[in-house]
Amino acid sequence: AQSVTQPDIHITVSEGASLELRCNYSYGATPYLFWYVQSPGQGLQLLLKYFSGDTLVQGIKGFEAEFKRSQSSFNLRKPSVHWSDAAEYFCAVGAPGAGSYQLTFGKGTKLSVIP
Amino acid sequence: GAGVSQSPRYKVAKRGQDVALRCDPISGHVSLFWYQQALGQGPEFLTYFQNEAQLDKSGLPSDRFFAERPEGSVSTLKIQRTQQEDSAVYLCASRGLAGANEQFFGPGTRLTVL
Repeated sequence: AQSVTQPDIHITVSEGASLELRCNYSYGATPYLFWYVQSPGQGLQLLLKYFSGDTLVQGIKGFEAEFKRSQSSFNLRKPSVHWSDAAEYFCAVGAPGAGSYQLTFGKGTKLSVIP
Repeated sequence: GAGVSQSPRYKVAKRGQDVALRCDPISGHVSLFWYQQALGQGPEFLTYFQNEAQLDKSGLPSDRFFAERPEGSVSTLKIQRTQQEDSAVYLCASRGLAGANEQFFGPGTRLTVL
């Protein structure tokens, strides 16, 4: 069964500082990988996704993530955090191939931004 | 609208009451998913529809939970005899045919059982 670990429950950074949120997954092959963001009272918004090809993927709002097969990781990065980035971030894994469908999510990392 | 919508956004129920949560997926999306998100947790899969067929309900926590999508578009998640442990945000997501597993989420329904 697939699983996702987000080791950091809560991270606080200063506005303008760089950010890296960690995500490790467990799956027998290369999965589909996603990062979602959830603001209070809101649904999940997709930041970026990895299916295959270039292991560095660019997303919305200036985020990027790098897939590292050897480390089973898909860490999310942003070079300069804005106050509006304060939210909860979820890493998710999906099994590729026909018929596969459900996403398995990590427990999330809450990001606080100090002005 | 262009996105997934859910109603109601908030629901308060007394323990033992039945509730019904509605999801309107993106028009034309074949696949529809329900997830449950407990406080401080990530979403957890409940059930999956392809058109009107419920292909997987392995995540439903008990037989008090029932989901349907009779015409292959709108879906309803029903919880009978609600319990306090049912309190959570219920998220609906839809996916088109060429989505490569990309799911689009609605804003969720926050259910509080007193």
